[in-house]
Amino acid sequence: DAKTTQPTSMDCAEGRAANLPCNHSTISGNEYVYWYRQIHSQGPQYIIHGLKNNETNEMASLIITEDRKSSTLILPHATLRDTAVYYCIVRVAGNTGNQFYFGTGTSLTVIP
Amino acid sequence: DVKVTQSSRYLVKRTGEKVFLECVQDMDHENMFWYRQDPGLGLRLIYFSYDVKMKEKGDIPEGYSVSREKKERFSLILESASTNQTSMYLCASSLLPPVAGSYNEQFFGPGTRLTVL
Repeated sequence: DAKTTQPTSMDCAEGRAANLPCNHSTISGNEYVYWYRQIHSQGPQYIIHGLKNNETNEMASLIITEDRKSSTLILPHATLRDTAVYYCIVRVAGNTGNQFYFGTGTSLTVIP
Repeated sequence: DVKVTQSSRYLVKRTGEKVFLECVQDMDHENMFWYRQDPGLGLRLIYFSYDVKMKEKGDIPEGYSVSREKKERFSLILESASTNQTSMYLCASSLLPPVAGSYNEQFFGPGTRLTVL
């Protein structure tokens, strides 16, 4: 079963901030939150990850609530090229590999 | 840049055929993964491998096998293809985490869209 819950779809006006929410109420203390996105006909692309502090990189910001039960990915100035499916993933730290459980994601459409 | 390549972007096979999907990564990653992606179901892990000749079952291994004879290459095998294996297949690779519980992003290939008739 998926460990995260995301809205199925969202729209955002070009140039505005896109805020994509994710619930992960069963997250455990050593599990990270990852965000990937998948543009049509391509493989998923890593965006950002975090444990408990807010994180920012050249692509996005990640805000994690204090109880870590939810997070928000922020694309500060959405462009048409940001139209994609965005996956919020909680990483399970296995003994050997690092499996990811992908849900169905949020389909973000950036509108001109 | 890490590059993960898959042998075909599109593949059409007949029911009962043996199908090989090949994946190659060029960054000396220990971990490699095979997923399938279906509408409404997201990405589901089929198998993964954390070392040469090592493999672990993912969530949906039935009907599939894998082979990892060399570190850079991870093959997915459909012994007898069936129509319900029509899907997009995605390969990924990552470094082993330096310490347990730390992060490692996965790098994905472009995918192979397999149709089984």
